[in-house]
Amino acid sequence: AQRVTQPEKLLSVFKGAPVELKCNYSYSGSPELFWYVQYSRQRLQLLLRHISRESIKGFTADLNKGETSFHLKKPFAQEEDSAMYYCALMSGTASKLTFGTGTRLQVTL
Amino acid sequence: NAGVMQNPRHLVRRRGQEARLRCSPMKGHSHVYWYRQLPEEGLKFMVYLQKENIIDESGMPKERFSAEFPKEGPSILRIQQVVRGDSAAYFCASSPSREKEAFFGQGTRLTVV
Repeated sequence: AQRVTQPEKLLSVFKGAPVELKCNYSYSGSPELFWYVQYSRQRLQLLLRHISRESIKGFTADLNKGETSFHLKKPFAQEEDSAMYYCALMSGTASKLTFGTGTRLQVTL
Repeated sequence: NAGVMQNPRHLVRRRGQEARLRCSPMKGHSHVYWYRQLPEEGLKFMVYLQKENIIDESGMPKERFSAEFPKEGPSILRIQQVVRGDSAAYFCASSPSREKEAFFGQGTRLTVV
């Protein structure tokens, strides 16, 4: 069975500091991984997916199959990055997502 | 395009009552997914529907829960005889196809008293 683990419930960083939100997964097949973000009072939205290999709002994430990780990184945190971040894995042909429990990123001045 | 619309946003039901949660997908989207988020947990997949068909209901509790996505109208998640443990946020997502990105609604927060 697939599982996504986000070990940190809360990550608090200063503005301008680097950010790394951890995500580990377990899945027997070839995974497709995503990061979703939920800003205050807004709906969940896709931030990035590993197959697109793009940088969105300065965030990047690299799939490391050896470590089964998909950590989200940003070199310099901004106040507007404060939000809930969810790592998710898509499995099989049904396109259903398995989510981690989320990490709240708090960027302070 | 207004995005995925869920209503109501908040729903309070007494134990034993029925809860009906509605999801109107984005225009042109025929694939709908329902997820449940219990307190302190991540979103958990419940059911995947395509117009008039249930494709995958592996995450649905065996009893009291049902879902439909009729040819016309919104998708409905129905919970009969609600219990306190059903209190959660229920999210709907829609996509134009199973390969494309799914867009989420704002969720319905169900409270059973």
